[in-house]
Amino acid sequence: DGGITQSPKYLFRKEGQNVTLSCEQNLNHDAMYWYRQDPGQGLRLIYYSQIVNDFQKGDIAEGYSVSREKKESFPLTVTSAQKNPTAFYLCASSITWNEQFFGPGTRLTVL
Amino acid sequence: AQKITQTQPGMFVQEKEAVTLDCTYDTSDPSYGLFWYKQPSSGEMIFLIYQGSYDQQNATEGRYSLNFQKARKSANLVISASQLGDSAMYFCAMREKFAEGGSEKLVFGKGTKLTVNP
Repeated sequence: DGGITQSPKYLFRKEGQNVTLSCEQNLNHDAMYWYRQDPGQGLRLIYYSQIVNDFQKGDIAEGYSVSREKKESFPLTVTSAQKNPTAFYLCASSITWNEQFFGPGTRLTVL
Repeated sequence: AQKITQTQPGMFVQEKEAVTLDCTYDTSDPSYGLFWYKQPSSGEMIFLIYQGSYDQQNATEGRYSLNFQKARKSANLVISASQLGDSAMYFCAMREKFAEGGSEKLVFGKGTKLTVNP
């Protein structure tokens, strides 16, 4: 089945640690996105990539980094510079802007 | 300033009745798109319906329809014949361009929590 997978579903991090969230898609979509969702809030764009080996910052990129070495994969690293990383992280992909397909999300908690 | 406003933090509806979820937007771009997504408690975002700014007719997808009033800048979601499985968060979103270039992004509202009562 085609879709987007994110792993892990739950992630716990100690303060000062970097962690990497995985996002893989087999939909053959060129564009991929990372969003952050805080309780009671909508989604905010962290980074996006429209093509392999290229990505741009979204609205809240500070403290995050990404790579896009393969079309299928768009991992997000939450660095120690991100002061408040506890949140729900959603990855999405699209072929056009008429619809974005989302993964199941990763819930990150800082201990 | 907020680009997408959803004024109803929570809504309740009886099973089999219709419900309208409000969304107003703010943009000066004549070309834009409006989306509605459903987020169940599992967290996944499910695309429901899309309306382009130049579309002449209101979008419909099964039990979902979008009441698009361009002059009022509103894009309300109407769910007909509500089902218990419709209980979820609903987000309105708008496609807009980044200031510095031609790339586009989605801007989301804060959502409305819909509860369908049996």
